[in-house]
Amino acid sequence: NAGVTQTPKFQVLKTGQSMTLQCAQDMNHEYMSWYRQDPGMGLRLIHYSVGAGITDQGEVPNGYNVSRSTTEDFPLRLLSAAPSQTSVYFCASSTDRNNEQFFGPGTRLTVL
Amino acid sequence: SQKIEQNSEALNIQEGKTATLTCNYTNYSPAYLQWYRQDPGRGPVFLLLIRENEKEKRKERLKVTFDTTLKQSLFHITASQPADSATYLCALEPDSWGKLQFGAGTQVVVTP
Repeated sequence: NAGVTQTPKFQVLKTGQSMTLQCAQDMNHEYMSWYRQDPGMGLRLIHYSVGAGITDQGEVPNGYNVSRSTTEDFPLRLLSAAPSQTSVYFCASSTDRNNEQFFGPGTRLTVL
Repeated sequence: SQKIEQNSEALNIQEGKTATLTCNYTNYSPAYLQWYRQDPGRGPVFLLLIRENEKEKRKERLKVTFDTTLKQSLFHITASQPADSATYLCALEPDSWGKLQFGAGTQVVVTP
């Protein structure tokens, strides 16, 4: 099993550009989530999904969109990148929200 | 709002000693609390989950306690080794809506 995979590993955007961060898992997990991690602030939940077709907002959803058309994939879209979105983004999955989360390796995003 | 506090200062400890980390929370009574390890440039890795009706849980050299009266969890690494050097994160679900919230983490440095 590859576990949770994320692409790309690094990305540099200009302000106003859009992009999609990819996340996939091969463990048949229903629960998937996106976090951002900034120095001194820990992981903050952006969006999460409890199954295909179901998504909800986390703590910091503004500027991000998600969709969950399959169990395996949970892409995160930045509609119009801003410097405040410079961060490291982690995708995670689990059998349900009460169990251990499996994290991907992260995407380091810089917005100029 | 729910607040999770972990020591922001790095914990420097000599090999063989016990490292003790604290995780304090306010404004809610979570049903469980999780601990993760994060190495530089990598995603967090799950270590332990302790439920509100469990006072203590152990896994190899790791021990976690959960005091719901004090609203505190303690994380112990016994017989610490340089390989234990990492940042340790606590996480809990402040409500029933699946939004796992993380503390900022405490860095542990174990010197030979």
